[in-house]
Amino acid sequence: DVKVTQSSRYLVKRTGEKVFLECVQDMDHENMFWYRQDPGLGLRLIYFSYDVKMKEKGDIPEGYSVSREKKERFSLILESASTNQTSMYLCASSKQGFHNEQFFGPGTRLTVL
Amino acid sequence: GQQVMQIPQYQHVQEGEDFTTYCNSSTTLSNIQWYKQRPGGHPVFLIQLVKSGEVKKQKRLTFQFGEAKKNSSLHITATQTTDVGTYFCAGSSMEYGNKLVFGAGTILRVKS
Repeated sequence: DVKVTQSSRYLVKRTGEKVFLECVQDMDHENMFWYRQDPGLGLRLIYFSYDVKMKEKGDIPEGYSVSREKKERFSLILESASTNQTSMYLCASSKQGFHNEQFFGPGTRLTVL
Repeated sequence: GQQVMQIPQYQHVQEGEDFTTYCNSSTTLSNIQWYKQRPGGHPVFLIQLVKSGEVKKQKRLTFQFGEAKKNSSLHITATQTTDVGTYFCAGSSMEYGNKLVFGAGTILRVKS
């Protein structure tokens, strides 16, 4: 069964801390994505990657960075967490190409105090 | 930038009633995808439409893609309690680099 896993389901951090969210997929997918989900706003794309060591900004990249050192792993980094980054973070992966279905991980609910 | 608007934001129906959610784009779309997210769960892909005027069915679910490829709908016939969740449409456009843009979602609650 295909799987996308995320390192934590729940995370509580303090303002100013550096936060790492990890995502691993076992489907050998080329594409990986990070979204944040907020009530009434749907899913908003933060960053995505089409290949190892490759990254592109999504619609709301400010305050975030990413790393893709291996094909199966895509990390989201909050360099200095702020309260407005409290959200649900969803990782997804898909096969190469633009129009393939995305497989989502279970999400990480991050609270920044 | 590309925008995908989805209405209604919330719908509460009696079990057995029909339900429809609508999706509209500010740009012509290359494709549209629909996802369902159960309460406490993550989005799960339902279907993709790519052709103008396309209609696809999955049991009680009917998906349509508009002739101008700027709008789409999901219709559920005779809702059941298992249909509860949030339904998202997501479209991509060559004009905006083919990134998938999600609508805000429609939350469906079903009264039994």
